[in-house]
Amino acid sequence: EVQLVESGGGVVRPGGSLRLSCAASGFSFNDYDMSWVRQAPGKGLEWVSDINWNGGSPYYADSVRGRFTISRDNAKNSLYLQMDSLRAEDTALYHCVREGKMLTFDLWGQGTLVTVSS
Amino acid sequence: DIQMTQSPSSLSASVGDRVTITCRASPGIASFLAWYQQKPGKVPKLLISAASTLQSGVPSRFSGSGSGTDFTLTISSLQPEDVATYYCQKYNSAPRTFGQGTKVQIK
Repeated sequence: EVQLVESGGGVVRPGGSLRLSCAASGFSFNDYDMSWVRQAPGKGLEWVSDINWNGGSPYYADSVRGRFTISRDNAKNSLYLQMDSLRAEDTALYHCVREGKMLTFDLWGQGTLVTVSS
Repeated sequence: DIQMTQSPSSLSASVGDRVTITCRASPGIASFLAWYQQKPGKVPKLLISAASTLQSGVPSRFSGSGSGTDFTLTISSLQPEDVATYYCQKYNSAPRTFGQGTKVQIK
């Protein structure tokens, strides 16, 4: 089955860190660029970061640049998001997303919830 | 960075009505515009790419148009299963910004 499964979310205090993981299956992971997209409770979609198929050219939203780091391990079919210096406004459901051949987001994981609270 | 402005933020229409959602990109993005549908409690689903290309399996009552700065998503005859929030997105380059979303409800 073609799917993306995120893990690693949880409750963390402001200033803390978390590392999110995304396990891909059912398709050739190393053929695709990948993104992280988040959605705060009751809010809209916010693109967070992306990385190209070979791990190069990472890009970040202004809101997370300098605090978050995206990476991937094609041998493990996995995508990661290292989140440091977390803030309350980072509280959201974080989705792992595949960028299809047209660069549109054609496969979404169910998400992992990150809550930043003291 | 390019700003994506969607309107309206919400709308309520009757079954069978024609519904139009607009998305404005500033500056322009050629046709690198996608539309997504997010039903309550579900992940977003890609409806349209390249401003007007309907994805496989998406009902033909959905259509997209526009290029450059102004885009529209049209539902020709609103159905109960179309209740959802719709998002536009520019995808040609980072940041791959989404619009604020339009919540569509049945009157």
